[in-house]
Amino acid sequence: QKEVEQDPGPLSVPEGAIVSLNCTYSNSAFQYFMWYRQYSRKGPELLMYTYSSGNKEDGRFTAQVDKSSKYISLFIRDSQPSDSATYLCAMSAGETSGSRLTFGEGTQLTVNP
Amino acid sequence: DGGITQSPKYLFRKEGQNVTLSCEQNLNHDAMYWYRQDPGQGLRLIYYSQIVNDFQKGDIAEGYSVSREKKESFPLTVTSAQKNPTAFYLCASSIGPLESPLHFGNGTRLTVT
Repeated sequence: QKEVEQDPGPLSVPEGAIVSLNCTYSNSAFQYFMWYRQYSRKGPELLMYTYSSGNKEDGRFTAQVDKSSKYISLFIRDSQPSDSATYLCAMSAGETSGSRLTFGEGTQLTVNP
Repeated sequence: DGGITQSPKYLFRKEGQNVTLSCEQNLNHDAMYWYRQDPGQGLRLIYYSQIVNDFQKGDIAEGYSVSREKKESFPLTVTSAQKNPTAFYLCASSIGPLESPLHFGNGTRLTVT
């Protein structure tokens, strides 16, 4: 079983919809949680970065962490065609970055005009 | 503008040949990483380096080699010993090893036939 599970989709929504993207994980030591957005044939770019449980909001994006359920979410409000991309969750236990960052396989999102 | 440059964007090689992928960063980051991305799988760590002249194996280092002679550069060699080299390779850097987010280049797509 994978340490981080993420539904690969594809997910298709109309413009303006609220999008919910989710990851579950099994390692209770994870405490740093990130969401990356990856456009086709490009490298991932960091969207949200949270520590431990709780919510974090940045414009139309909200990241939510529920450590008790080992579940993280990314919400996109008023979705736009430019949000069409693959969204990767990533998490670490905090020993060192990068070297122990575990990624989900990504969810492919399409927002239709 | 600071960033990570990977070259070339596309690379084609015959089976049995070694090939080197370039990664240069001007972000003054200490740590650099190489990931491999395959469909249906999360990013997998090949090698990482936290300081010049030092690097460690990641989860899938077999068939790969790296060097870190300069802070700005972290080239990856895919050797003929790598059984399935065709993939999308991503280089990343972070300001330090402690939970800092990754900055990615735009990748090199390697095709070996």
